Amino acid sequence: DAKTTQPPSMDCAEGRAANLPCNHSTISGNEYVYWYRQIHSQGPQYIIHGLKNNETNEMASLIITEDRKSSTLILPHATLRDTAVYYCIVRVISTGWGSGGGADGLTFGKGTHLIIQP
Amino acid sequence: EAGVAQSPRYKIIEKRQSVAFWCNPISGHATLYWYQQILGQGPKLLIQFQNNGVVDDSQLPKDRFSAERLKGVDSTLKIQPAKLEDSAVYLCASSLGGVGVGYEQYFGPGTRLTVT
Repeated sequence: DAKTTQPPSMDCAEGRAANLPCNHSTISGNEYVYWYRQIHSQGPQYIIHGLKNNETNEMASLIITEDRKSSTLILPHATLRDTAVYYCIVRVISTGWGSGGGADGLTFGKGTHLIIQP
Repeated sequence: EAGVAQSPRYKIIEKRQSVAFWCNPISGHATLYWYQQILGQGPKLLIQFQNNGVVDDSQLPKDRFSAERLKGVDSTLKIQPAKLEDSAVYLCASSLGGVGVGYEQYFGPGTRLTVT
């Protein structure tokens, strides 16, 4: 899987939109962009994923640039409970089992520690 | 829907002792993963099961770590003998699994292991 680059930390005021950038300049055509977050003392939690189109769900929006070399996760109205480490991951979707196919474990970097300020 | 269950939540052992962790995935999830998370780092995959078969164990230190999922449901991860550098949080995750679809992984709360 391709590597990603994220800022180590960011601050955001409560109620404002939090925009978390991720660079994945070596992404391949069959790799998706996934975002997970990890609140202190909990396991990681899935947020959203996309291939090339922008995506939105109840938690966040994902904006992927046209060349797919970078993306931004947007939390539209950040709350104190959004304080967490956010991981941007690029991941190949498996196409077959056997001979190494089907292996789809996530490769986490160090992520961005997002701190929401009251 | 019940989440991924792990036990124990905390464990303290001395080096050279053995330890085992247990994981019960979400009902119906065919794929199960074990990750190791050292303080200050992101989780690292140790092993992936599809039902009761191993899909990927390339990063599992097989001289001291072992894992099994005998009936394709619960799984245990064992360390024998433990070293100081094994101090970490051990996370279990599960997903529906399947070819061609990147199902999201659901993580348990983890087991925090301290080796003294």
